[in-house]
Amino acid sequence: DTEVTQTPKHLVMGMTNKKSLKCEQHMGHRAMYWYKQKAKKPPELMFVYSYEKLSINESVPSRFSPECPNSSLLNLHLHALQPEDSALYLCASSQGDFLGQGLYEQYFGPGTRLTVT
Amino acid sequence: AQSVSQHNHHVILSEAASLELGCNYSYGGTVNLFWYVQYPGQHLQLLLKYFSGDPLVKGIKGFEAEFIKSKFSFNLRKPSVQWSDTAEYFCAVTPIILTGGGNKLTFGTGTQLKVEL
Repeated sequence: DTEVTQTPKHLVMGMTNKKSLKCEQHMGHRAMYWYKQKAKKPPELMFVYSYEKLSINESVPSRFSPECPNSSLLNLHLHALQPEDSALYLCASSQGDFLGQGLYEQYFGPGTRLTVT
Repeated sequence: AQSVSQHNHHVILSEAASLELGCNYSYGGTVNLFWYVQYPGQHLQLLLKYFSGDPLVKGIKGFEAEFIKSKFSFNLRKPSVQWSDTAEYFCAVTPIILTGGGNKLTFGTGTQLKVEL
């Protein structure tokens, strides 16, 4: 099973709302990732969790707050977003190499399409 | 930091034509290389990967890619495309950093392939 699931599939939120995106994998992977993909653009890395610890934050604004409650789950908490944050948010996972050496391929979920009004 | 360039942004082919999509990366050290495909309405899927060994790698659905280290290239090929190959294709790279911080997947800008009947 190489499936990464994400909920919800679509989300519309106002600029003052608080919402969360959820990602789950049951492949025993120990590295999980959040990406942002704007229309007609490639995915851009936001955060990397390795063994449930945040290892990479690509200078993402604090209105995005990641959380990794356990090795199978990854959340992205959203607060006070701007319309330009509207995008497809992708979650991915890979086998964990403890030092984050970049040794393994990543498997992607279907994404959550977020619209900020 | 690494970067990836894909020179063909839009490619239109007739069924049974041969395909070659170019990918070049910029990074001075060791890398892992990937091609991902995004079919319309579907999530990113791994097409093939190169980690080490034989520079000619075969992936799913008849695709192959050749790593040429001296040219920093990882071009994707298929001898005979089908209508179902219509999709967006992304080349991607992760640097291998033995001390950590290496699992940062960087994507090229993508190539939109349209196969006509």
